[in-house]
Amino acid sequence: QQPVQSPQAVILREGEDAVINCSSSKALYSVHWYRQKHGEAPVFLMILLKGGEQKGHDKISASFNEKKQQSSLYLTASQLSYSGTYFCGTGGYTDKLIFGTGTRLQVFP
Amino acid sequence: ETGVTQSPTHLIKTRGQQVTLRCSSQSGHNTVSWYQQALGQGPQFIFQYYREEENGRGNFPPRFSGLQFPNYSSELNVNALELDDSALYLCASSQTTGYSEQYFGPGTRLTVT
Repeated sequence: QQPVQSPQAVILREGEDAVINCSSSKALYSVHWYRQKHGEAPVFLMILLKGGEQKGHDKISASFNEKKQQSSLYLTASQLSYSGTYFCGTGGYTDKLIFGTGTRLQVFP
Repeated sequence: ETGVTQSPTHLIKTRGQQVTLRCSSQSGHNTVSWYQQALGQGPQFIFQYYREEENGRGNFPPRFSGLQFPNYSSELNVNALELDDSALYLCASSQTTGYSEQYFGPGTRLTVT
């Protein structure tokens, strides 16, 4: 039931773009994206709701394909501060978040 | 507006002991969720409290229990600690139980020896 994220790890140079994918085997009502830096708590980035509503970050965008039960997070013109582990959290009808396997992103100068 | 706070920051306990972890929710939030995060893994949902009532539970045994108080702060209690309980325990508060964003506290690192 845990959503699967891909890729597992990404290495970027500053200014490059990245896409992180999240796929679930269950019907989704919401997808949440978080970034966690080493030794810190996860930080909210974005939430996407069934029906198209989105709330989130100015410099990060995401998509939510309800039929395919997939979401993708788009990081453009990456900055050093984007480094960390990205988790998607998927919410079914019961609305309890199940977090994905994580994607480790490293941005170098 | 104050963020989510947790106490203590670190804790070392012996197998078989009991532990209580505390969480103060963000101002204006009435829902608190607790997660267990093992090293290198994503957070695992333990349970959620909404207006002092448990509102859903993950796949954790009954020795994991909780409370929410009228000011929406919350406690996580773990009885009969096992070595596998060693993890980072995170609480997150949100405005409602609906599909709203959750804001995490810094966590409590529990080590069971």
